[in-house]
Amino acid sequence: DGGITQSPKYLFRKEGQNVTLSCEQNLNHDAMYWYRQDPGQGLRLIYYSQIVNDFQKGDIAEGYSVSREKKESFPLTVTSAQKNPTAFYLCASSSIARSYNEQFFGPGTRLTVL
Amino acid sequence: KNEVEQSPQNLTAQEGEFITINCSYSVGISALHWLQQHPGGGIVSLFMLSSGKKKHGRLIATINIQEKHSSLHITASHPRDSAVYICAVGESSGDKLTFGTGTRLAVRP
Repeated sequence: DGGITQSPKYLFRKEGQNVTLSCEQNLNHDAMYWYRQDPGQGLRLIYYSQIVNDFQKGDIAEGYSVSREKKESFPLTVTSAQKNPTAFYLCASSSIARSYNEQFFGPGTRLTVL
Repeated sequence: KNEVEQSPQNLTAQEGEFITINCSYSVGISALHWLQQHPGGGIVSLFMLSSGKKKHGRLIATINIQEKHSSLHITASHPRDSAVYICAVGESSGDKLTFGTGTRLAVRP
């Protein structure tokens, strides 16, 4: 089955530690996105990538880093510089060739920093 | 930057009721998306539309480009429809999406 996987579903870390969230897709999509969701707020874009080895900052990139070494994978690292990292993180992908940017979402990772 | 507003923020309905969720945006768009987020957090795409009306089962989505407004309707609502419904817009083809804050729907049996 084609889709997007994120792991783990729940993640706990101590304050000051970096943590990497995994996102893999087998949809052959060019574009991939990372969003953060906080209670009462809409999804906010952290980083996105439209092609391998290239990515752009979204609206709230500070304290985060990404890589795009393979088309299928777009891992997100939450660094110790992120002031409030506890949140629900969603990965998405889309096909640039198709118009209107329909995005497909992964199941999400809930990160709690203690 | 597009501002996306949804109303209501919370909605409780009895099973069988007709439900309407509204979305308005501030800047012209190429497409509007309606998404459904279940309690576990996963998001699925319900509709993507740029004009007119689309129907899928008990769900109907409409958009009025001139008024910059869209509605999502659920006919004969069911408890399994309980979820957060999110509106998102893209200003140009292939562009990033701007999301509304969502409408939390609870359908009681």
